[in-house]
Amino acid sequence: KQEVTQIPAALSVPEGENLVLNCSFTDSAIYNLQWFRQDPGKGLTSLLLIQSSQREQTSGRLNASLDKSSGRSTLYIAASQPGDSATYLCAMWGSGGSNYKLTFGKGTLLTVNP
Amino acid sequence: NAGVTQTPKFQVLKTGQSMTLQCAQDMNHEYMSWYRQDPGMGLRLIHYSVGAGITDQGEVPNGYNVSRSTTEDFPLRLLSAAPSQTSVYFCASKRLAGPTYNEQFFGPGTRLTVL
Repeated sequence: KQEVTQIPAALSVPEGENLVLNCSFTDSAIYNLQWFRQDPGKGLTSLLLIQSSQREQTSGRLNASLDKSSGRSTLYIAASQPGDSATYLCAMWGSGGSNYKLTFGKGTLLTVNP
Repeated sequence: NAGVTQTPKFQVLKTGQSMTLQCAQDMNHEYMSWYRQDPGMGLRLIHYSVGAGITDQGEVPNGYNVSRSTTEDFPLRLLSAAPSQTSVYFCASKRLAGPTYNEQFFGPGTRLTVL
């Protein structure tokens, strides 16, 4: 069974700092990996999707990488802003019969202080 | 496009009552799913569907029923609500083919309290 761990559980940084959020998984036979953002009391917003054949994806100040051999993904946020404060979740689709089931980590709560 | 919509946004039930959480998407996605989100447990898959007339169980299906009569709609039914079903419920959808398949989109959620 796939298990997804996100470290740290919470992170507080000053505005303008570059930061890295970590996601590790136990089964390297994943199909895709997706990073989400969740604001308090809201739904999930898709940030980046990395296909299994890709190693990274970029969108604006966000860069996500995927290393299947080590079972790790990172989300890099450049020049953080108070508006980046949210919970960040990583999730992955398995391969084969698990392709229909998305497994989530428990998230990293990010606070960016002005 | 409205994306994924859910109704109601909030609901309070008494133990033993039944209700249906509604979910609809206008993106012509083949795949739809329901998750529940609980503190300390993260998001867990309840049921999913890969097309009209096809449904399957996820990680925590007990106490919930689903059906998929159209591509657009995927309602979640609680037959006899229990306090353990107090949670925030999210519906989601995605394509099963195409360049952005497997990018899943979520609705805004339904906050359910069972007394």
